[in-house]
Amino acid sequence: AQSVTQLDSHVSVSEGTPVLLRCNYSSSYSPSLFWYVQHPNKGLQLLLKYTSAATLVKGINGFEAEFKKSETSFHLTKPSAHMSDAAEYFCVVSENTGRRALTFGSGTRLQVQP
Amino acid sequence: DSGVTQTPKHLITATGQRVTLRCSPRSGDLSVYWYQQSLDQGLQFLIQYYNGEERAKGNILERFSAQQFPDLHSELNLSSLELGDSALYFCASSNIPAGAYNEQFFGPGTRLTVL
Repeated sequence: AQSVTQLDSHVSVSEGTPVLLRCNYSSSYSPSLFWYVQHPNKGLQLLLKYTSAATLVKGINGFEAEFKKSETSFHLTKPSAHMSDAAEYFCVVSENTGRRALTFGSGTRLQVQP
Repeated sequence: DSGVTQTPKHLITATGQRVTLRCSPRSGDLSVYWYQQSLDQGLQFLIQYYNGEERAKGNILERFSAQQFPDLHSELNLSSLELGDSALYFCASSNIPAGAYNEQFFGPGTRLTVL
């Protein structure tokens, strides 16, 4: 079985300051891990993915995430927040088996203050 | 734009009714997934089809059913609707078994309101 825990339901930062969204996972198999973003009234967009290659993954819009197996973590970071980053972020795990469905975390709402 | 289309964008109906949501996957994608996003349950996987056949089931109610047609589009049927079925329903697609991972592309969703 697999699960994802997003440690913060809300994060508020000032524009230009770093962003850290925390995620811990549990998986019986070597997982694939993803971060998706959902802007208000929009569908989900893939930010980045980890698939057992490099542990530091770069995504779109300046976001990065580091896979740490020893800590079972996959935290999302960005050096400098922009107003357009305000959205809901989901950490997601997928088993690399036949089912391949995604298990979503509960989401972290990122607020960016001017 | 992910390349996945969903219709309708919004649907308002009454309790006890039946509705059909439609999804067209990205060109070339054989797998379709349905998800439900609600305030109390979050994002939950409902069901997956691969090339016309059911592949996996998640937290899908017996009142709900889905199918994938030969042209690969999929429909999610929701019947005997209850107030609690009000949610955003997403469809996603991916190309399996190509690739070692399971990147899914999401449609814009259908917002269902049951009154």
